[in-house]
Amino acid sequence: DSVLTQSPGTLSLSPGERATLSCRADQSVSSSYLAWYQQKPGQAPTLLIYGASTRATGIPDRFSGSVSGTDFTLTISRLEPEDFAVYYCQQFVSSAYTFGQGTKLEIK
Amino acid sequence: QVQLQESGPGLVRSSETLSLTCSVSGGSINSDGYYWGWIRQPPGKGLEWIGYIHYSGSTYYNPSLLSRVTISSDTSKSQFSLTLSSVTAADTAVYYCASRYTSGWYLDAFDIWGQGTVVTVSS
Repeated sequence: DSVLTQSPGTLSLSPGERATLSCRADQSVSSSYLAWYQQKPGQAPTLLIYGASTRATGIPDRFSGSVSGTDFTLTISRLEPEDFAVYYCQQFVSSAYTFGQGTKLEIK
Repeated sequence: QVQLQESGPGLVRSSETLSLTCSVSGGSINSDGYYWGWIRQPPGKGLEWIGYIHYSGSTYYNPSLLSRVTISSDTSKSQFSLTLSSVTAADTAVYYCASRYTSGWYLDAFDIWGQGTVVTVSS
């Protein structure tokens, strides 16, 4: 199975700072099938980004996604208090859907 | 706007079959381009894709669960369902139903999620 590896496992930052979250695939992934989700405690995940760089409906423009080869990045330009959560990437490759293990974004 | 609500027993005995239902409101299960799926999350862990059913009736299942899982739909009740047989403690999780409309060749992501339902497998 194809594996997505997210880094770092935990990211400690302050509101107003810039966050950069990484998701690396172990095989080629079409950008069309790479998504990012945000999950807050006790809540269902929320789709942030699909197609590697397209913001889902209602997602603020401080969230952006990019890709370089098999490395995908979620950037939050200026952290708001409500952005501290767990973030997952998700892919569809070789007829299988998988999630990364998640990055916890915590307040420093 | 489509809304989803999971329902089903919160406790299932080991070796038995887990059955959950997702009720759909604000949309039709057989609407062109819709995918209806299930994802789960064990306590304190990450997300796992279980599978989905397309409006056309085609299904996809996680290969690791293929021998135990079935997803079906009931258009008359505007519901879709998950059954998972021969459950063990490893199947204890929050189970989410989810949906997505896309005109693409394949499902890319889920953008509408239910609130989730906790299922515990007891021995």
